[in-house]
Amino acid sequence: QVQLLESGPGLVKPSQTLSLTCTVSGDTINMGGYLWSWIRQLPGKGLEWIGHIYYSGDTYYNPSLKSRIAISKDTSKSQISLRLTSVTAADTAVYFCARGQTGNVDHWGQGTLVTVSS
Amino acid sequence: DIQMTQSPSSLSASVGDRVTITCRASQSISSYLNWYQQKPGKAPKLLIYSASSLQSGAPSRFSGSGSGTEFTLTISSLQPEDFATYYCQQSFTMPFTFGPGTKVDIK
Repeated sequence: QVQLLESGPGLVKPSQTLSLTCTVSGDTINMGGYLWSWIRQLPGKGLEWIGHIYYSGDTYYNPSLKSRIAISKDTSKSQISLRLTSVTAADTAVYFCARGQTGNVDHWGQGTLVTVSS
Repeated sequence: DIQMTQSPSSLSASVGDRVTITCRASQSISSYLNWYQQKPGKAPKLLIYSASSLQSGAPSRFSGSGSGTEFTLTISSLQPEDFATYYCQQSFTMPFTFGPGTKVDIK
């Protein structure tokens, strides 16, 4: 059974960099056909697709965040990582790691709340 | 970006009721439409993909229909565990976008 677990600091200061890691078990992140994704949910609001990385290492970033984000993978550790630079209070959200197939998301992590505050 | 809208934004229903939620896309997305259920404090769960295909493990009382720009999610007989928020999502073109959600609560 595929499991995804997000980890990282729950509090980040404004203008700093948010860094999260997703550890995947029960699957190999090198398998073709999947999008290893980051999705966030703003407090009390809807869901936003941040971006994803393919098994090949190619990435896609939401243009609204493109200049600030980087997604990478470490196959040896079965981990997907997210870096979001120059954060503001508007980046406060629950961040989900997820596995997608042709855009639908069939497995989600539990989510991790990141608060941007001084 | 493709904009997704949902109606209603919330509804109250009783156990056993038939419930229908509508999702509209700002442009045609063929059948690239997915539905998720989310309960408070939990991650969303995929119910329906490609507009009408039931995800493995999802109860058969959930069904989806539509194509192009208008889609529906139907719960044939609402159960206590179905009280949640439902989101549609288009996977036709990136960035994939979600609707604002429909909250289903107890009447």
